[in-house]
Amino acid sequence: AQSVAQPEDQVNVAEGNPLTVKCTYSVSGNPYLFWYVQYPNRGLQFLLKYITGDNLVKGSYGFEAEFNKSQTSFHLKKPSALVSDSALYFCAVRDRGSGAGSYQLTFGKGTKLSVIP
Amino acid sequence: NAGVMQNPRHLVRRRGQEARLRCSPMKGHSHVYWYRQLPEEGLKFMVYLQKENIIDESGMPKERFSAEFPKEGPSILRIQQVVRGDSAAYFCASSPEGRGGYTFGSGTRLTVV
Repeated sequence: AQSVAQPEDQVNVAEGNPLTVKCTYSVSGNPYLFWYVQYPNRGLQFLLKYITGDNLVKGSYGFEAEFNKSQTSFHLKKPSALVSDSALYFCAVRDRGSGAGSYQLTFGKGTKLSVIP
Repeated sequence: NAGVMQNPRHLVRRRGQEARLRCSPMKGHSHVYWYRQLPEEGLKFMVYLQKENIIDESGMPKERFSAEFPKEGPSILRIQQVVRGDSAAYFCASSPEGRGGYTFGSGTRLTVV
């Protein structure tokens, strides 16, 4: 079974400061990893994904994430936070194998990011 | 390309009524997935369908819930005899292949009163 943990329910950061939203995962095989953002009463918007290759993945709106296999982590980062980044962020994992985990996305519970002006 | 279209955006049903949620996948996508988001929780997988086939319904409650993806028309998630605990946001996603990249719709927010 695969799982995702987002240890922080809420992250507060001042505008202009760097931000980090944490994510750790567990899969039986090798993972595909994703970050999505959800604005109030909206659907999920794709931010970035790790498939293979460079451990530092760059995505939309200046976000990036670093895949760390030994720590089974995929933390989301941004060098300078904007007030408009305030939203709910979800980390998700999918297995590379051939079973159900290969098409089911398993999500964390989400982290609410508040960027304070 | 209109993306994944879900309707209605908001749906209010009284206890015991039926809810029908519709999802039109992106053009060229033949794989559809339904997820449910309960308040204060992440999304949970419900069902995976291809045209006219249910591939995996392991996340669907055993009773009252059903899904279909007919040869023509949208995918339908049907909830019979709704209860307050069914109140949630239901998201549909589509992909061009079973392990391809997902695109999510904006969701249907079901409120059972």
